[in-house]
Amino acid sequence: GNSVTQMEGPVTLSEEAFLTINCTYTATGYPSLFWYVQYPGEGLQLLLKATKADDKGSNKGFEATYRKETTSFHLEKGSVQVSDSAVYFCALRSWSPAGGTSYGKLTFGQGTILTVHP
Amino acid sequence: EAGVTQFPSHSVIEKGQTVTLRCDPISGHDNLYWYRRVMGKEIKFLLHFVKESKQDESGMPNNRFLAERTGGTYSTLKVQPAELEDSGVYFCASSQRGGGDLKNIQYFGAGTRLSVL
Repeated sequence: GNSVTQMEGPVTLSEEAFLTINCTYTATGYPSLFWYVQYPGEGLQLLLKATKADDKGSNKGFEATYRKETTSFHLEKGSVQVSDSAVYFCALRSWSPAGGTSYGKLTFGQGTILTVHP
Repeated sequence: EAGVTQFPSHSVIEKGQTVTLRCDPISGHDNLYWYRRVMGKEIKFLLHFVKESKQDESGMPNNRFLAERTGGTYSTLKVQPAELEDSGVYFCASSQRGGGDLKNIQYFGAGTRLSVL
């Protein structure tokens, strides 16, 4: 089956520090990969995505590259801000070439709490 | 355009009681999903509607959970009777119909935090 493993948090950084949150996956079919972010008191928001190997998703200074050879999709940002404090979730969606009922649903990692201090 | 809306934002009930959660998807989105996050663990899929039909309910934990989507608009998730282990945050998401990557982005609500005492 599908699974996503994220580095355990919480992660605490100072403003302008470099951020990496590791994410690895196992999947059947041809997965698309996502990072979602949940700011305090809000719902999950799509941060970035990649749909095939070697794709790089980017948004708001965050980047992640779909590495099929290492089954990874690590999230990075060169200089974090206090406003980046949130919970980050790595997720995949696997589209089976044989069809079936599993299309569309997301499989999530456990989430990583990021706190950025001024 | 309004996003995915969930009601209530927080519900506190006693074990054995019934609770109904509601989700209003983005207008025009045929796909509606329910997920649950328990005790700070991963967010887990519960079920998927396409319009009013249940496409995939493989994640529903047991028969105490009943989801409906009458008319293919809003959805409700009823827990009856609630148990302590049902506590968690219940998320709803919606996406457009059809193939194509952009149409299948899932937009999430803020969630309902359920506390069963």
